[in-house]
Amino acid sequence: SAVISQKPSRDICQRGTSLTIQCQVDSQVTMMFWYRQQPGQSLTLIATANQGSEATYESGFVIDKFPISRPNLTFSTLTVSNMSPEDSSIYLCSVEVGVLAGVSDTQYFGPGTRLTVL
Amino acid sequence: GDSVTQMEGPVTLSEEAFLTINCTYTATGYPSLFWYVQYPGEGLQLLLKATKADDKGSNKGFEATYRKETTSFHLEKGSVQVSDSAVYFCALSAPLNYGGSQGNLIFGKGTKLSVKP
Repeated sequence: SAVISQKPSRDICQRGTSLTIQCQVDSQVTMMFWYRQQPGQSLTLIATANQGSEATYESGFVIDKFPISRPNLTFSTLTVSNMSPEDSSIYLCSVEVGVLAGVSDTQYFGPGTRLTVL
Repeated sequence: GDSVTQMEGPVTLSEEAFLTINCTYTATGYPSLFWYVQYPGEGLQLLLKATKADDKGSNKGFEATYRKETTSFHLEKGSVQVSDSAVYFCALSAPLNYGGSQGNLIFGKGTKLSVKP
């Protein structure tokens, strides 16, 4: 397994500002992921972040809105830019452990960052 | 495309009651299947998983069996406790050689469970 921490745990932000969320893992991992959980909804993958390459974004998410950094194998950041109330969500990072050839294995999640945009 | 369908909640049970949360899936090939739990105010925790047909995942008294013939992965517990009150998510991860996007867990909408003393 992996122990994952996120900062901040929650924040209340004004419309038009940006917030950077940090994700720290206690071991080196290749794959890190960012998800969004809108109020009362399930999780949706925003992007996959591999160290040393550009993040891969899912349909409906763009780099200008959600820039991601992955400077090393234990750390990643997600920025929510030019925020609006529709961005109010829980943002979670996760890591994948135990990837075998051709088979995705288990993902472990951080505690999440609860963002409220006024 | 791949999808997960969970029974709608909320589900309210008395302590020591039997729990079943239904989960069915649509996927190409042989996905891995997971149950995650989200306690109030917390992030997701992996509850159990199964990676091939007829596998049974189990943890903390919860069980789920990977049924390929019915494309199901129902979650069960024989005697629930108040501390089991949480939202439960069924999820699948499609295998890469069947076009799965590595890391893309497909989640169900979640089922909220409330257990009363």
